[in-house]
Amino acid sequence: AQSVTQPDIHITVSEGASLELRCNYSYGATPYLFWYVQSPGQGLQLLLKYFSGDTLVQGIKGFEAEFKRSQSSFNLRKPSVHWSDAAEYFCAVVGGLTGGGNKLTFGTGTQLKVEL
Amino acid sequence: GAVVSQHPSWVICKSGTSVKIECRSLDFQATTMFWYRQFPKQSLMLMATSNEGSKATYEQGVEKDKFLINHASLTLSTLTVTSAHPEDSSFYICSASGTGNTEAFFGQGTRLTVV
Repeated sequence: AQSVTQPDIHITVSEGASLELRCNYSYGATPYLFWYVQSPGQGLQLLLKYFSGDTLVQGIKGFEAEFKRSQSSFNLRKPSVHWSDAAEYFCAVVGGLTGGGNKLTFGTGTQLKVEL
Repeated sequence: GAVVSQHPSWVICKSGTSVKIECRSLDFQATTMFWYRQFPKQSLMLMATSNEGSKATYEQGVEKDKFLINHASLTLSTLTVTSAHPEDSSFYICSASGTGNTEAFFGQGTRLTVV
């Protein structure tokens, strides 16, 4: 079974600083990886996803993530954080795509706080 | 991306009553829908997976008789919390995926408070 670990429960960065949120996965084959963002009391918004191909994927809002098979990691990065980026971030993995029945396994989330 | 609408966004009910939450796919046919529960400051825990026209598959530890899931059409799934108790208070989120979709799309969630 697949699993996801987000080692950092809370992270605080200054506005304008760079950001990296860590995500490690466990899965025997090639995983399908996602990063979602959740604002308080809201649903989840997809930031980016990795299925195959280029290991550096670009997402919305200036985010990017790099898939590193050797490290079983899929860390999320942003060069310059904005105050509006403060939210909860979830990494998720799907063990395989069935084109309609893809059950996500989520990490525990990282709460991002941005200091002005 | 595809749009999933969840209703209501919040509900307060009395202990012992039942509450129905709707999850609709607005612009695609959702062959599969997922229901999650999220406690404050915690991750999403999958409760059940429902395929249109079939009985839902519940995760271990989730009471089938308490959390009734119906997925009678390709655009609507409902979660009914029966005989709600204060410990059922939580944030419930649905997601939907269609044939050929490589991702699931999330509703905005429903905050249930049982008093």
